[in-house]
Amino acid sequence: DIQMTQSPSSLSASVGDRVTVTCRASQGISNFLAWYQQKPGKVPKLLIYAASTLQSGVPSRFSGSGSGTDFTLTISSLQPEDVATYYCQKYNTVPWTFGQGTKVEI
Amino acid sequence: EVQLLESGGGLVQPGGSLRLSCAASGFTFSNYAMSWVRQAPGKGLDWVSYIRDSGAGTYYTDSVKGRFTISRDNSRNTVYLQMNSLRAEDTAVYYCAKVYGGNYWFFDLWGRGTLVTVSS
Repeated sequence: DIQMTQSPSSLSASVGDRVTVTCRASQGISNFLAWYQQKPGKVPKLLIYAASTLQSGVPSRFSGSGSGTDFTLTISSLQPEDVATYYCQKYNTVPWTFGQGTKVEI
Repeated sequence: EVQLLESGGGLVQPGGSLRLSCAASGFTFSNYAMSWVRQAPGKGLDWVSYIRDSGAGTYYTDSVKGRFTISRDNSRNTVYLQMNSLRAEDTAVYYCAKVYGGNYWFFDLWGRGTLVTVSS
C-alpha cells in the first residue's frame, strides 16, 4: 500500500505568516491528492482536491501544489481561524490513505 | 440543507456487534458513492469502507475485512455499516462521508460522526 507522510507533525506560526505543510507519497499518485482541515472538536472539511483545485467557498489564502510524490499545502497569510489539523489524502487507488496530520497553532 | 446524520454508536463489549446508520438529505443520494471514515481518540483519519452509488461495489480497509459490511438503501437515502467481532482498536468516532463523484474518490461532505467504544 502507498503510505502518506506529512511534515512537520506540528508547527507554530504568527498571524500573517506564510505556512507550508508537506505531504509525501511512497509511490507516485499523479495529482490524486486532497487536503482537509479539521478544527478542534469539529468535522473534517475539504479544502483542496486534484492537488491544487480549491474547493468552493475556501479562502484564497489556501493553495496546493505538487504532483507525483511530493505535495504542498500553503497558507499565504495565517489567520487565527486557521488553527486546525491538516490532513492529506491520496485517492488514486484503494486504500484511500490519509497522512498522519499536521497541527497548526498560533 | 445538504447533510449527513450518523446514528447507532455506543458502548459494546469486545466481540460484540453494532450497526451504524447514516441518513442523507439535500442531494440526490442514489447518484453518489459513500464511505465511512473513522478517527480514534486523539488520532488521525482512517478510511474504513466504500460503497458505489448503486451498491454493487464495495471496498474495505484490510483491518476490517471479514468483520465489517457496508450497505445502502437508496429508497431510504441511508448507508449502513454493520460491525461484527469488534475489537478495542475499533474504538473511534465513525464519520459518514459523501464521495465527490466520477474518478474523484475524496470526500466533500462529512457527517458529525458517531462514537463507537469497544470495552469490557
